[in-house]
Amino acid sequence: AQSVTQLDSQVPVFEEAPVELRCNYSSSVSVYLFWYVQYPNQGLQLLLKYLSGSTLVESINGFEAEFNKSQTSFHLRKPSVHISDTAEYFCAVSDRVQGAQKLVFGQGTRLTINP
Amino acid sequence: DTAVSQTPKYLVTQMGNDKSIKCEQNLGHDTMYWYKQDSKKFLKIMFSYNNKELIINETVPNRFSPKSPDKAHLNLHINSLELGDSAVYFCASSHIWRGGIHGYTFGSGTRLTVV
Repeated sequence: AQSVTQLDSQVPVFEEAPVELRCNYSSSVSVYLFWYVQYPNQGLQLLLKYLSGSTLVESINGFEAEFNKSQTSFHLRKPSVHISDTAEYFCAVSDRVQGAQKLVFGQGTRLTINP
Repeated sequence: DTAVSQTPKYLVTQMGNDKSIKCEQNLGHDTMYWYKQDSKKFLKIMFSYNNKELIINETVPNRFSPKSPDKAHLNLHINSLELGDSAVYFCASSHIWRGGIHGYTFGSGTRLTVV
């Protein structure tokens, strides 16, 4: 079964600073990888995903993630963060169990932006 | 229009009661899920239905019973509520394409508090 490890439970950064949220997954022949964002008291929203093709994927709000097969990583980056980026971020990997598909989530990383 | 809607958004109830949470999606997806998010924000799958058929049941106590009257609806009934059932419950839906999941769409969650 697939598993995901988010290496940092909390990441505090100053506004306009760069940030990297780390994610490692267990090795597999092929994987689909996702980043979700959860703003306070809200549901989860898809930020970006890697299915195939280019290893660098981007979101509409300036985040990007790079699929690195050799390091089994899918780290999320943003060159300059805003206060509005304060949220919980979840990395997820697709898994197939008993013929059924599901997403397995990491423990989450709380990103806090300080002015 | 809301893609995945859950009701109620908040639910406060006493131990021992029976309660239900409803979920509906209008995306035409064929698979629906229930996830539990605990106080540490960890997301764990509970159930998955594909076209009204139960395909994932992750060692959840049998006090929890999902019901899917059609592929657009997945309800969760909980009997004899316990304090440890307090959590946020998320409904999600997805479409299986070429044997894989390309992401979930989540509902906004139901915050269940058992007192």
